[in-house]
Amino acid sequence: QVQLQESGPGLVKPSETLSLICSVSGGSISSYYWSWTRQSPGKGLQWIGYVYYTGSTNYNPSLKSRLTISVDTSKNQFSLKLSSVTAADTAVYYCARDHWELLGGKEYYYGMDVWGQGTTVTVS
Amino acid sequence: EIVLTQSPGTLSLSPGERATLSCRASQSVSSTYLVWYQQKPGQAPRLLIYGASNRATGIPDRFSGSGSGTDFTLTISRLEPEDFAVYYCQQYGSSVYTFGQGTKVEIK
Repeated sequence: QVQLQESGPGLVKPSETLSLICSVSGGSISSYYWSWTRQSPGKGLQWIGYVYYTGSTNYNPSLKSRLTISVDTSKNQFSLKLSSVTAADTAVYYCARDHWELLGGKEYYYGMDVWGQGTTVTVS
Repeated sequence: EIVLTQSPGTLSLSPGERATLSCRASQSVSSTYLVWYQQKPGQAPRLLIYGASNRATGIPDRFSGSGSGTDFTLTISRLEPEDFAVYYCQQYGSSVYTFGQGTKVEIK
């Protein structure tokens, strides 16, 4: 079955760029959307953005000016770059498969059905 | 941006009891785009319900979802020990996903 694994530095300095990669195994990255979501310590979930396997993206407006999400189909990976980080960006970052299907001309949403285990990023 | 408000914040119940969790949206949400997740400490969220009322693969039938418009409900018919966790609703609208703040179901 499909598995996701986040990787990247656990510590980032303020004002620098946070960079994470999500590696997809057990299945192809093609034909799906892929999302990043984060969870600040003791808080709820915040959607960051998603990328389609074609490279098209959609970002949370609150992060859009600092955010780049991209996909590398040859490596079956997608990545997150968040610039000018502050302590408020300290969180557990999750990648997930975001399951949409187009059936009979209508879009159906099946939720984020596969998640990575998450990676903790501290800005300090 | 659609704001999702979950209530109650914490639900204290005993195993075997019924849990009813509410998710209210600041404006109408298509049922197609309303999802529920379960999260246990130190774990990633787990998909429970999509399309407001459809159980995801492998989810026991004691979990059910209902609702439409601005009011949605997740019901756990008889709590098992492994069901004590935090539950989040999520919606997609105007090209943005938002999550509720979560309801913690704790052992009484």
